[in-house]
Amino acid sequence: AQSVTQLGSHVSVSEGALVLLRCNYSSSVPPYLFWYVQYPNQGLQLLLKYTSAATLVKGINGFEAEFKKSETSFHLTKPSAHMSDAAEYFCAVSNQNQGGKLIFGQGTELSVKP
Amino acid sequence: DAGITQSPRHKVTETGTPVTLRCHQTENHRYMYWYRQDPGHGLRLIHYSYGVKDTDKGEVSDGYSVSRSKTEDFLLTLESATSSQTSVYFCAISLAGANTDTQYFGPGTRLTVL
Repeated sequence: AQSVTQLGSHVSVSEGALVLLRCNYSSSVPPYLFWYVQYPNQGLQLLLKYTSAATLVKGINGFEAEFKKSETSFHLTKPSAHMSDAAEYFCAVSNQNQGGKLIFGQGTELSVKP
Repeated sequence: DAGITQSPRHKVTETGTPVTLRCHQTENHRYMYWYRQDPGHGLRLIHYSYGVKDTDKGEVSDGYSVSRSKTEDFLLTLESATSSQTSVYFCAISLAGANTDTQYFGPGTRLTVL
């Protein structure tokens, strides 16, 4: 069975600092991996996704993530945090051959201090 | 923004009453999904649909039923609401249900069962 673990339910950074949100997956087959962001009182929107084309994936708003098979990780990074990055971030893995169903991690809330 | 609306956006109901949530899309996407979001659990799949009248169960389907009589509408019904079903419910759509497809999310419905 596939699963996703996000390390740290809350992460706080200062404006301008590096953002690092951790995601580890468990999968017996090559996974497809996603990062979604949820701003307060809104639905989720896609930041980026890994579909095996390239291990370093660039997304919207300056975020990127690197797929590391040896570490079963797909950590999300951004070099310099902005106040507008404050949100909840979800890592998800696609359930193989079952209608694109997503299995989500528990989420990481990012706070950005001025 | 993907054309997805959910209604109602907020609902308070009493234990034992039936509740129906509606998801409406204008994108003509084949696949539709219902998730619930709870603190510490991320999003969990309740049911999904891969076409008109074609539905299947997700991870947490007990106590829920769905129907899809038209491409654009996907209904989630709580036959007899319980306090454990207090949650935020999100509808999502994807074009073809492929593992690499992006899912687009609606704005959510906040349901409180007293």
